[in-house]
Amino acid sequence: AQSVSQHNHHVILSEAASLELGCNYSYGGTVNLFWYVQYPGQHLQLLLKYFSGDPLVKGIKGFEAEFIKSKFSFNLRKPSVQWSDTAEYFCAVNARGNTGKLIFGQGTTLQVKP
Amino acid sequence: DTGVSQNPRHKITKRGQNVTFRCDPISEHNRLYWYRQTLGQGPEFLTYFQNEAQLEKSRLLSDRFSAERPKGSFSTLEIQRTEQGDSAMYLCASSLGRARLNSPLHFGNGTRLTVT
Repeated sequence: AQSVSQHNHHVILSEAASLELGCNYSYGGTVNLFWYVQYPGQHLQLLLKYFSGDPLVKGIKGFEAEFIKSKFSFNLRKPSVQWSDTAEYFCAVNARGNTGKLIFGQGTTLQVKP
Repeated sequence: DTGVSQNPRHKITKRGQNVTFRCDPISEHNRLYWYRQTLGQGPEFLTYFQNEAQLEKSRLLSDRFSAERPKGSFSTLEIQRTEQGDSAMYLCASSLGRARLNSPLHFGNGTRLTVT
């Protein structure tokens, strides 16, 4: 069965610090990978996605993620966080070619101190 | 296009009562998903529709849960004889899918259920 593991449950950073959130998945086949973000009081929003091609993908608000197939990882990065990045971040995977059903990690709460 | 809409936003019910939630997907989206999210966890898949057909159900979806999408547009999720363990955020998402291709899921704000 597919599963997603996010290493950090709660991360606290100061503004301008660099961010890296870990995500590993288990699935033997070809996958699509996603990061979703949930700002306080808002719905889940797509931050970025990887379907194929360049393993370094860029998303909204300066976020990027790198797919490393050999490590089954899809870590999220941002060089310099802002207070407005305070949110919960979810990594998700689906098996390519299936119904689009996503399997989510447990989420990482990011708190950015001004 | 106002995104995925869910109603109600909050529902408080007593144990043993039945509840029903509604989801209106993005109008051109043919696929609709229900997820459940509890505190400190990521969303867990419950069920999925393509148009009006319910094509997949999670083992999480006990026989007290039923979902419908009668005309391939809005969907309802009903929970019968609610239990305290049903307390969670119920999320609806939709996407546009054709064959093996699928657009990313768009989520609604969810319905928070509290069973007392």
